[in-house]
Amino acid sequence: QVQLVQSGAEVKKPGSSVKVSCKASGGTFSSYGISWVRQAPGQGLEWMGGIIPMLNIANHAQKFQGKVTITADESTSTAYMELRSLRSEDTALYYCARSGYSSGYPVIWLGMDVWGQGTTVTVSS
Amino acid sequence: SVLTQPPSVSGAPGQRVTISCTGTSSNLGAGYAVHWYHQLPGTAPKLLIYGNTNRPSGVPDRFSGSKSGTSASLAITGLQAEDEAAYYCQSYDSSLSGVVFGGGTKLTVL
Repeated sequence: QVQLVQSGAEVKKPGSSVKVSCKASGGTFSSYGISWVRQAPGQGLEWMGGIIPMLNIANHAQKFQGKVTITADESTSTAYMELRSLRSEDTALYYCARSGYSSGYPVIWLGMDVWGQGTTVTVSS
Repeated sequence: SVLTQPPSVSGAPGQRVTISCTGTSSNLGAGYAVHWYHQLPGTAPKLLIYGNTNRPSGVPDRFSGSKSGTSASLAITGLQAEDEAAYYCQSYDSSLSGVVFGGGTKLTVL
């Protein structure tokens, strides 16, 4: 059974960038997509975007366009989420999750069945 | 949130509770599937229901999902103390061209 293992907690200054990794352990990405979801302290879930490594197609949520870049390295079964121009409001727990999708244009993202353990990003001066 | 859920629901052990998820014509009403997750404090969300009504392997049949028009529901029967968690619905929205979540519902087992 594949597991998603994320990189460790980060503490960043306002205005800087952070790059979080998500590696498939015990398997590969196969034909699945990888979504990135964040959860601010005490808040709900927010989708940031996703990538289909096999097709090299990435979608970014409208709210995060220009601020986030999602990439993947199929050879190492690792996905990345880079968030730029960090602000205190970006302090959150960031999850990657394996996502189903319906291929075509646009990509229709489906449910997320395997989740990483989460990476805490704290933005503080 | 684009999908609307009640902030909280409660029930006694053994009872049945339902959690609603209301969308619009650009998500649930457009025929896009709804998926449900629960999240225990300090842990990652776990998929409970996918594709409106389907349970992943290992999820008890006490959990069931339904969808009609712009609304969906998660039903939990035989409520247990371990069901106390936050529950989220999720779908796809064509206007936003992306995934949308409900704001989450906190289930309290009395």
